[in-house]
Order: sequence, then C-alpha cells, then structure tokens
Amino acid sequence: GAGVSQSPSNKVTEKGKDVELRCDPISGHTALYWYRQSLGQGLEFLIYFQGNSAPDKSGLPSDRFSAERTGGSVSTLTIQRTQQEDSAVYLCASSTLTGVQETQYFGPGTRLLVL
Amino acid sequence: GESVGLHLPTLSVQEGDNSIINCAYSNSASDYFIWYKQESGKGPQFIIDIRSNMDKRQGQRVTVLLNKTVKHLSLQIAATQPGDSAVYFCAPERAGTALIFGKGTTLSVSS
Repeated sequence: GAGVSQSPSNKVTEKGKDVELRCDPISGHTALYWYRQSLGQGLEFLIYFQGNSAPDKSGLPSDRFSAERTGGSVSTLTIQRTQQEDSAVYLCASSTLTGVQETQYFGPGTRLLVL
Repeated sequence: GESVGLHLPTLSVQEGDNSIINCAYSNSASDYFIWYKQESGKGPQFIIDIRSNMDKRQGQRVTVLLNKTVKHLSLQIAATQPGDSAVYFCAPERAGTALIFGKGTTLSVSS
C-alpha cells in the first residue's frame, strides 16, 4: 500500500483480555516503531525494530506488552491481561534509514478502549 | 533527559492570517528537526523538516526557522486555512531513535 496501515482501527475489550494490534509498514521500510498516545498527550515510545530485531525495547511499560516483526515487514503488538490504563491510541511508524536522514511515517493508529 | 516543549498549547487564528507555532528543545545532538501535523482521529503526518546545519527552510505555505543558539524552532503557516486546524508537534530527529513529541499546539482556524 501507499502508506502505513494498522488494524483494527478501533478495539474495545474487557479488562483482563489479551489484544493483538497489527501494523503493515510502507513496503521497503526497514525500521518500524510503536508508540502510544493518550488523550491530549504526546507520544510515548514503546519499541523499535530494525528488520526483525528489536534493538530498543526500553519503552515497553510492563512484561504484559510484547511485539514481534516477521519477514522484515508486518509487526504485531500484543498486550496481555489488559488494564484500563492501557486505553490509548497505539501508533505505528515506519521509515527507511538513509545515512542520517530518517523520516518516520505514521499509520492511522488503533484506538484501544479497555473497559 | 531530552525534552520538547511548545510554547502555547492552543493558537486560534482567522482564516487567511499567518500562524506561528513555536517549539523549544533541550537536546542539541539532533541531525534534523521535524514538524508533524495531527488531525483529529488520524496519525501524525509529516509536514517539513530542517537539517541541523540550516536556519531556514521553506515549503508550500510553510516555513521552518531554527535557532540553535537558543534551541528554538518555529513553524510559520502562511494564509492559514480551516484545513490547517490540527495539533502540531515538533520533534528533534536522529536516525534510528524514537521521536519525542510534547503535547503539541492545537491550531484552530475560524472562517
């Protein structure tokens, strides 16, 4: 596709359930980032992939959060035993690194509501 | 740690006016500085960037000014239109590192 796509666009779940969020980056983009954005707030970095490896997982809030990327393309972010404080918009961005220049392109996000 | 802050949380302008959105940053070790626009219900959209060795860059209706001495960045939007209404974020950028956004400035354009 022409841009980053994410699915589902909206997800409502009950506290304690697991959810899986998907990101399809722009074709050919080697870098992929997951962020979280709470209402009226800036971005909270979660995890960064370069290819299939994740050199920076420092932003994952707890061990309930995990992410993987396969084939250097699609990534999934899994949240286990969801809590109400997990409610937020989860944004994915991809980029291609060309020397020092990198522009991250964002998807539309997945709006997660934990009841 | 690194921080990014915008000077005004909200900015209201009339259609046709010029808008100036300001941003201060703390980390000087950035290769680029980027402005993003986020409309309601959408992900951030890249607007324009400026390399750290430049002080001005112009795009279509937008100009970004960089003052490294005072660690200040501004985005100027000429002839602001209702479609420019959004939240604007600035971010210092280094390849291979996560973006750091503050809370952004909400620009409201009235007709």
